[in-house]
Amino acid sequence: EPEVTQTPSHQVTQMGQEVILRCVPISNHLYFYWYRQILGQKVEFLVSFYNNEISEKSEIFDDQFSVERPDGSNFTLKIRSTKLEDSAMYFCASSRTSGIDNEQFFGPGTRLTVL
Amino acid sequence: AQRVTQPEKLLSVFKGAPVELKCNYSYSGSPELFWYVQYSRQRLQLLLRHISRESIKGFTADLNKGETSFHLKKPFAQEEDSAMYYCALSRPNTDKLIFGTGTRLQVFP
Repeated sequence: EPEVTQTPSHQVTQMGQEVILRCVPISNHLYFYWYRQILGQKVEFLVSFYNNEISEKSEIFDDQFSVERPDGSNFTLKIRSTKLEDSAMYFCASSRTSGIDNEQFFGPGTRLTVL
Repeated sequence: AQRVTQPEKLLSVFKGAPVELKCNYSYSGSPELFWYVQYSRQRLQLLLRHISRESIKGFTADLNKGETSFHLKKPFAQEEDSAMYYCALSRPNTDKLIFGTGTRLQVFP
């Protein structure tokens, strides 16, 4: 069964460094999402992406964050200058449809640790 | 603002006992409600959604608009039901999922 994959599984970085988190959505899916979960807190929506554009973003998704679909398979989340509070589990998700039939399939997550 | 509340962080039951995982939401419109499950060392996956009105793995959930609740129920818990359960909401015309903090279900033999 196809699955969303994410790399790396764990990323450790220094504060102020740029990180790129990578995701490979399910191949026939058209809608892509990033969520994050700070340890002990709820899963929070960051951004949704469709047709090479951001569809919706949360207030967390400020100018430090960007997303890209650089080729036909990858979907990346870039954090330009990481802060300590960016330490979290980052989940990528994808879905085939939007709206009422939307079912989001999640990746295993990337644990980002900012030192 | 929309919010999902799961009042219990941990729910422990014995195998064969009934289970009810509570979820309340705040949203003035007509939301779509979901239950996601995360088994140990596995990814978050959709368990069920109110719109499909299905029973999955013996679990059911009924949307009660009067009480703004979407509690997850199973009449007889199994050990393999032990997992983290997240209630989530989305509004019409958006795919953004708003999650609760989750409830860990432990089913003892």
